[in-house]
Amino acid sequence: EAQVTQNPRYLITVTGKKLTVTCSQNMNHEYMSWYRQDPGLGLRQIYYSMNVEVTDKGDVPEGYKVSRKEKRNFPLILESPSPNQTSLYFCASSISPLMGTDTQYFGPGTRLTVL
Amino acid sequence: GESVGLHLPTLSVQEGDNSIINCAYSNSASDYFIWYKQESGKGPQFIIDIRSNMDKRQGQRVTVLLNKTVKHLSLQIAATQPGDSAVYFCAESTRGGSYIPTFGRGTSLIVHP
Repeated sequence: EAQVTQNPRYLITVTGKKLTVTCSQNMNHEYMSWYRQDPGLGLRQIYYSMNVEVTDKGDVPEGYKVSRKEKRNFPLILESPSPNQTSLYFCASSISPLMGTDTQYFGPGTRLTVL
Repeated sequence: GESVGLHLPTLSVQEGDNSIINCAYSNSASDYFIWYKQESGKGPQFIIDIRSNMDKRQGQRVTVLLNKTVKHLSLQIAATQPGDSAVYFCAESTRGGSYIPTFGRGTSLIVHP
């Protein structure tokens, strides 16, 4: 089944404790991205990756890191989480914007709470 | 399930009615638009897309209309069903741009049986 998976689905942590949220897709997509979704603000892009070893900042990259060592995986790293990073996070992938479509396939989401 | 937004615009309809959900976009250079559906506790799901060289596109029970003059997008759902209850939002992007799509806040559609 074609899908985007994220782990963990729920995470409660404390300020300053480094964490990683994993994302994996099995569709051989070149483009992957991370979003956060907050009440009243809609989806905002954190980082995106056009292909392996190619990453770039989205609208709200501060406090986050990403890496793209393999085509299928795009982990989101919070080196020192803070309470304002409490949010619902989504990973997404698409074939490639260069192919003329931006239709993205989203993962199920990760609910992160930073105390 | 997860709450995807507080104080979202809400559209309540009866099962079988047609629904129209609207979206205003801001960037006149945007040339690709997508409608997504997000059910409670799930990630957004693609519904239909449209390019700026079109003003209408139809799918199964859904139609998207694009009015570039007033930068307005609408999603029409025919014969709305309880399973259509979800938050719907539009996204805009620009070919050859930064590949950072801009998402609307969304509209909550509630379908009453």
